[in-house]
Amino acid sequence: AQSVTQLGSHVSVSEGALVLLRCNYSSSVPPYLFWYVQYPNQGLQLLLKYTSAATLVKGINGFEAEFKKSETSFHLTKPSAHMSDAAEYFCAVNPYTGANSKLTFGKGITLSVRP
Amino acid sequence: KAGVTQTPRYLIKTRGQQVTLSCSPISGHRSVSWYQQTPGQGLQFLFEYFSETQRNKGNFPGRFSGRQFSNSRSEMNVSTLELGDSALYLCASSWIPGQGAYSNYGYTFGSGTRLTVV
Repeated sequence: AQSVTQLGSHVSVSEGALVLLRCNYSSSVPPYLFWYVQYPNQGLQLLLKYTSAATLVKGINGFEAEFKKSETSFHLTKPSAHMSDAAEYFCAVNPYTGANSKLTFGKGITLSVRP
Repeated sequence: KAGVTQTPRYLIKTRGQQVTLSCSPISGHRSVSWYQQTPGQGLQFLFEYFSETQRNKGNFPGRFSGRQFSNSRSEMNVSTLELGDSALYLCASSWIPGQGAYSNYGYTFGSGTRLTVV
């Protein structure tokens, strides 16, 4: 079974500050891991994904995440927050078993960016 | 190319009614998954269809059903609506099941259908 824990439901940062959104996973098999972003009244947009290649994954909009197996973590970071980054962020896990499409999501974190 | 299209975008129904939601995947994608998003439960997997067959199902009551057509378009149906069914329903497509996990694009989501049950 797979699960994702996103610590905290809301993170607030100042514009230009570091963004750090935490994600820990539990998986009985090697996982694929994803970060998605959701803007109000929209669907989910893929930010980045880990697929057992490089442990440091770079995504869109300046985001990156590092897969740490020893810590079962996949935290999302961005060096400098922009007002347009305000949105809800979801971490998700998909078991590495080939043809299983089911994504298990965390509860999501709302990111606010202060001017 | 066009993204995943979900219709309608908004829907208001009365308790006890039934509703059908539609999802047209990206052209060439043959796998469609459905998710329910609510403030309390977050994003939960409903089911997945591939080649007109349900391959995977989440823990939802039998009132929730779906189907997929030969052109890969998918519909989901909820019968005997309850207030708790109010949610954003999202569908995601990929070329084949699991392909979203290892492709560069992940799973592509539509904008969702916002269902309100009154």
